[in-house]
Amino acid sequence: SAVISQKPSRDICQRGTSLTIQCQVDSQVTMMFWYRQQPGQSLTLIATANQGSEATYESGFVIDKFPISRPNLTFSTLTVSNMSPEDSSIYLCSVEVTVGEQYFGPGTRLTVT
Amino acid sequence: QKEVEQDPGPLSVPEGAIVSLNCTYSNSAFQYFMWYRQYSRKGPELLMYTYSSGNKEDGRFTAQVDKSSKYISLFIRDSQPSDSATHLCAMSTGGSQGNLIFGKGTKLSVKP
Repeated sequence: SAVISQKPSRDICQRGTSLTIQCQVDSQVTMMFWYRQQPGQSLTLIATANQGSEATYESGFVIDKFPISRPNLTFSTLTVSNMSPEDSSIYLCSVEVTVGEQYFGPGTRLTVT
Repeated sequence: QKEVEQDPGPLSVPEGAIVSLNCTYSNSAFQYFMWYRQYSRKGPELLMYTYSSGNKEDGRFTAQVDKSSKYISLFIRDSQPSDSATHLCAMSTGGSQGNLIFGKGTKLSVKP
């Protein structure tokens, strides 16, 4: 398994600002993922972040809006840029320990006013 | 047709009951199947992880995968109030991307 922490746990932000979410894992992992969970919905993958390469974004998500950094094998950040109320969601990072086996962080609850 | 279908419930059972949760899927390339439990305002917690078809048992939990029918199940024996949560199925083809496709989740309530 893996122990994952995220900062901040929650935040309330104003429209037009940006927020950077941090994800820290207790062991070195190759694959990290960022998901979004909108209110009452399931999880949707935003992007895959592998160390040493550019993040790969899913359809509907773009780098300008959700820039990701992956400086080493235990850390990643996701920035939500130029926020609007539609960005209010829970943002979750996950890591893959073995093929298909993913563990999630506690999430960052974002409210945009 | 969505890739993964899961009845959202809610499902309410008495303590001690056997719970059956199910998902169907359409992509025959899925090889890895997971069940997560998510408490309100928390991240998903991995309950069961299985590869390909067959059964896997862990304590009170049994996961079944029937790839010929594209159907997976999670059975919870002797259900407890602490099982009250949203249970999500997820699946993956593996490979270089490895992203999970989630069902919408079934909200389970176990009454004491």
